[in-house]
Amino acid sequence: QAHLVQSGAEVKEPGASVKVSCRASGYMFTSYAMHWVRQAPGQGLEWMGWINAGNSDTKFSQKFQGRVTITADTSANTAYMELSSLRSEDTAVYYCARAAAWFDPWGQGTLVTVSS
Amino acid sequence: DIVVTQSPDSLAVSLGERATINCKSSQSVLYSSNNNNYLAWYQQKPGQPPKLLIYWASTRESGVPDRFSGSGSGTDFTLTISSLQAEDVAVYYCQQYYGAPYTFGQGTKLEIK
Repeated sequence: QAHLVQSGAEVKEPGASVKVSCRASGYMFTSYAMHWVRQAPGQGLEWMGWINAGNSDTKFSQKFQGRVTITADTSANTAYMELSSLRSEDTAVYYCARAAAWFDPWGQGTLVTVSS
Repeated sequence: DIVVTQSPDSLAVSLGERATINCKSSQSVLYSSNNNNYLAWYQQKPGQPPKLLIYWASTRESGVPDRFSGSGSGTDFTLTISSLQAEDVAVYYCQQYYGAPYTFGQGTKLEIK
C-alpha cells in the first residue's frame, strides 16, 4: 500500500529557504508523479507544482515559478520541495501527494512557519 | 487556468439527512478521447491531510462508504452524502486534474445541524 512520510516542522526567518522531503514506500516510485500542495492556516488547498519521478520533468504554478524547486532522488524513493525567499505569507502546511491522475495518497503534511 | 468554484461555502445538515455540495469548473474537464471527467472529490478533517473520496467525477475510491456519490459532467458536478453521519463532519474539496495548474475549489465546510 502506497505511503508517504514527510519531514518535520520547520521555522524559518523571512528571506530564507526551506526544503521539505517526502519519502515514498509501497509502490514503484518512478511510475508516478509527485505533486506539492500547500494550505495556509484556515485556508484552502493551493497546488504548487509536480515532478515526474520517472524522468524528473517538472511543472510549476505560475505563482511559485522561480521560487520553487522540486527534485526526486530515485535511489531513496524521496521527493523534495524547496521554496526560497520565504515571506510570512508562506506560513502553511505543505503536502506531497502521489498522482497518476487524481491525488492519492497524501503525506501527513509539514508545517513551515516563517517568522522573524 | 481552470477556475473551480464550490457552493455553498458551508452547510449544516441533520444526521441521517442528505447533503449536497456543488462544484463548477470554468471550462469543461471532460476529455473527449476517453469520455472521462477529470474531477476528484476530497474530504479533509481537522489536522489531517485530504483524503480521496471520488475520482473520474463518479468513481468511489475503495473503502469509501457508499453513502458518498459523485455525479455530473463537463463543467457541473455534485457530491452527495445520502445519509449524513457524525463522522462526515469535514471540509470537502473538488479538484480538476484536467491540466496544470491543478486547481481546487475553495472548500465546503459540512456541519451537523
